[in-house]
Amino acid sequence: AQSVSQHNHHVILSEAASLELGCNYSYGGTVNLFWYVQYPGQHLQLLLKYFSGDPLVKGIKGFEAEFIKSKFSFNLRKPSVQWSDTAEYFCAGNTGNQFYFGTGTSLTVIP
Amino acid sequence: DGGITQSPKYLFRKEGQNVTLSCEQNLNHDAMYWYRQDPGQGLRLIYYSQIVNDFQKGDIAEGYSVSREKKESFPLTVTSAQKNPTAFYLCASSAGRGLNQPQHFGDGTRLSIL
Repeated sequence: AQSVSQHNHHVILSEAASLELGCNYSYGGTVNLFWYVQYPGQHLQLLLKYFSGDPLVKGIKGFEAEFIKSKFSFNLRKPSVQWSDTAEYFCAGNTGNQFYFGTGTSLTVIP
Repeated sequence: DGGITQSPKYLFRKEGQNVTLSCEQNLNHDAMYWYRQDPGQGLRLIYYSQIVNDFQKGDIAEGYSVSREKKESFPLTVTSAQKNPTAFYLCASSAGRGLNQPQHFGDGTRLSIL
């Protein structure tokens, strides 16, 4: 079955620490991958997306993600987090007509 | 501004009653989706529609129904058959059926069954 999995459920970091959130997918064919962010009290917003080409994609607010086909991974990274990055992060994959979302990672950044 | 409007933001109903959640978009998007978000379970797809007058079941369609009479509207009815309806419901839309179309989300409706 097609799925997306996120193994980090809760992450707590101090400001200026580096961030890496894991995402793995299980598709055999063409897949498009996304990271969404949900700030407290707000709707989900697209952070970045990968369709093809350069496997390192850059998104908004200094986030980036790397598509590694051999590892079926699409991890989200940020070199230095800020308190305002506190949010829930969702990895998602799209193949055919449906989106598949991971269970989400709650990130808390301590000032 | 274009976007997706879900109403109401909070909804309370008695057990055994059907309830309809509204979702309207003015983005001229073809595809619309309904998700349910529960703590620790991420987003699970209930129904989706790629074109007017057509829709398909998602992973957890039991106890729900939808209609797509207009391009901009995709209401979700939570029926009394849904065993655990208390949840946060998110509506989304995307520009087309292509693989590279990200979804845009509404602010959600939190449904509580009393």
